[in-house]
Amino acid sequence: EDQVTQSPEALRLQEGESSSLNCSYTVSGLRGLFWYRQDPGKGPEFLFTLYSAGEEKEKERLKATLTKKESFLHITAPKPEDSATYLCAVWVTSGGYQKVTFGTGTKLQVIP
Amino acid sequence: GAVVSQHPSRVICKSGTSVKIECRSLDFQATTMFWYRQFPKQSLMLMATSNEGSKATYEQGVEKDKFLINHASLTLSTLTVTSAHPEDSSFYICSARGGQQAFFGQGTRLTVV
Repeated sequence: EDQVTQSPEALRLQEGESSSLNCSYTVSGLRGLFWYRQDPGKGPEFLFTLYSAGEEKEKERLKATLTKKESFLHITAPKPEDSATYLCAVWVTSGGYQKVTFGTGTKLQVIP
Repeated sequence: GAVVSQHPSRVICKSGTSVKIECRSLDFQATTMFWYRQFPKQSLMLMATSNEGSKATYEQGVEKDKFLINHASLTLSTLTVTSAHPEDSSFYICSARGGQQAFFGQGTRLTVV
């Protein structure tokens, strides 16, 4: 069974204090790994897709990396507006069937 | 990025009635759409995967007759919650796959009274 685990569950940072969020996965047939940001009461907002181990992608203060077992979302010098829940999801295909499974998310709070 | 529009954003219905939620990909064709359910402070739980023109694939534990999914075109999928009950109250979100990415609708908050 596909498993996706995110840690920590919650993270509180001072503005400007860099940190990393972790997404560990155990799946077969990985097609890609997504990172999303979700604000309360809203649908997830797409951030990145990573396809293969060693791949990195950056967007503003965010950088996502991928290994064969986990992905990291690095947040450099975060600002209060970065406060949100960050979700990772694995996209798998098996015998023509595809599925996206989400982790439980990391709730990030950035304090001014 | 690509736009996925979900409607309605909020709906309140009486127990025993049915509710239809629409999910449209506005600027791309989505051969595959996913429907999720999210309980407060929990992650998204995949309910079903639908491919255009074929029957949806439901996840274990999801009642097919209760959550009817139709994916009649490359830009529209619908989720109908039939004979809704208070325990069906939740946040429902659709996702449409466009190329190598998956984009989400705004979500629908369903309250069954």
